Amino acid sequence: EVQLLESGGGLVQPGGSLRLSCAASAFTFSNFAMTWVRQAPGKGLEWVSTISSSGVSTDYADSVKGRFTISRDNSKNTLYLQMNSLRAEDTAVYYCARSALFLRTTYHCYYMDVWGNGTTVTVSS
Amino acid sequence: DIQMTQSPSSLSASVGDRVTITCRASQSISNSLNWYQQKPGKAPKLLIYAASTLQSGVPSTFSGSGSGTDFTLTISSLQPEDIATYYCQQSSTIPYTFGQGTKLQIK
Repeated sequence: EVQLLESGGGLVQPGGSLRLSCAASAFTFSNFAMTWVRQAPGKGLEWVSTISSSGVSTDYADSVKGRFTISRDNSKNTLYLQMNSLRAEDTAVYYCARSALFLRTTYHCYYMDVWGNGTTVTVSS
Repeated sequence: DIQMTQSPSSLSASVGDRVTITCRASQSISNSLNWYQQKPGKAPKLLIYAASTLQSGVPSTFSGSGSGTDFTLTISSLQPEDIATYYCQQSSTIPYTFGQGTKLQIK
């Protein structure tokens, strides 16, 4: 069964750091872009970051740019999110998701077809 | 950034009803629009991608339509298990923004 399993969440003080991991199984990890999405308590979904299948290309939401770093190890089938300078507003459930590509001549569409169960990050003193 | 606006924000309907949720983009996104379903305490689940393509395993009671700036998610016959919050998301331009969500309840 295709699966994503996040880990690494927890309680951290403002200004602290945390590294999330997402272990992939039962699919060819190196063929897919991967994405982190977060959800603050009682709020909607927020796209955080996407990395290309090779790891060469990365994109970030403005809210985390310069503080968060997405990376991947295709030999270990694992996605990472290094989070530094954490703020209270970073408190959320963090989901990793596989990003598949639907490609047509006039447009493209990335869509997240497999999701992990999420890991909770709480930033508080 | 492209703003995604869903309407309504909440909706109450009866089992068997036809339900429609709309999503409007602040600028044209062609067909780069996805719909997700999220049940309480669970991860989101992909329903529709590229505006109208039904994800494998999703019941055919769900359908999507639209192009450019205006999109629709339709449930042709509401079932109790469809109670959830629904999100649209554009993947035309970084950042890949989500709508604010539509909470669907049973009347």
